[in-house]
Amino acid sequence: DQQVKQNSPSLSVQEGRISILNCDYTNSMFDYFLWYKKYPAEGPTFLISISSIKDKNEDGRFTVFLNKSAKHLSLHIVPSQPGDSAVYFCAASGPPRTTSGTYKYIFGTGTRLKVLA
Amino acid sequence: DVKVTQSSRYLVKRTGEKVFLECVQDMDHENMFWYRQDPGLGLRLIYFSYDVKMKEKGDIPEGYSVSREKKERFSLILESASTNQTSMYLCAARDNYEQYFGPGTRLTVT
Repeated sequence: DQQVKQNSPSLSVQEGRISILNCDYTNSMFDYFLWYKKYPAEGPTFLISISSIKDKNEDGRFTVFLNKSAKHLSLHIVPSQPGDSAVYFCAASGPPRTTSGTYKYIFGTGTRLKVLA
Repeated sequence: DVKVTQSSRYLVKRTGEKVFLECVQDMDHENMFWYRQDPGLGLRLIYFSYDVKMKEKGDIPEGYSVSREKKERFSLILESASTNQTSMYLCAARDNYEQYFGPGTRLTVT
């Protein structure tokens, strides 16, 4: 049961244009969402996050939008640069807690972004 | 920034061998995690630890065990490696909300 879905395995965008990466989730109790970027042979690095009390969060060229009614979030990268080429994972967190009281992060399957020069 | 290190970047082991993957964090974070990453499957949680000597199963714990004797060190153990455990293994440490990953260990079991 895939609670967090990234339905586009890959995306190609021209340098300077907007990249839009999408993520859908099924658990309406999720209340915190994150995006990670991963280069080959490296661990994922945190990019941006959003709490469910907001619908938008911006950090430089990166903006995350959250639509709670649609259970959908998206990551916008403007303008896209060749160095943005990587795999992007969205993750979600929230109830129920585990036995120890920890929240697990549920990751999507990733979208490979290629920015063409 | 939290630094998470993993003992090996690449590892090749034979079927049936006992394999130890080590992870060390340089901050005082209570929560540490082991994931595996496979194409088309994303990151899947194997085990996590919320304190020294405390552990909890993740979503795919079968064939794995863990050890956390010190707060900064979290080990993943493959008791008897099998070819379907060939994967990228990622360790992470969490501070409240932000989760920091190590560089990963690419394990190949032949």
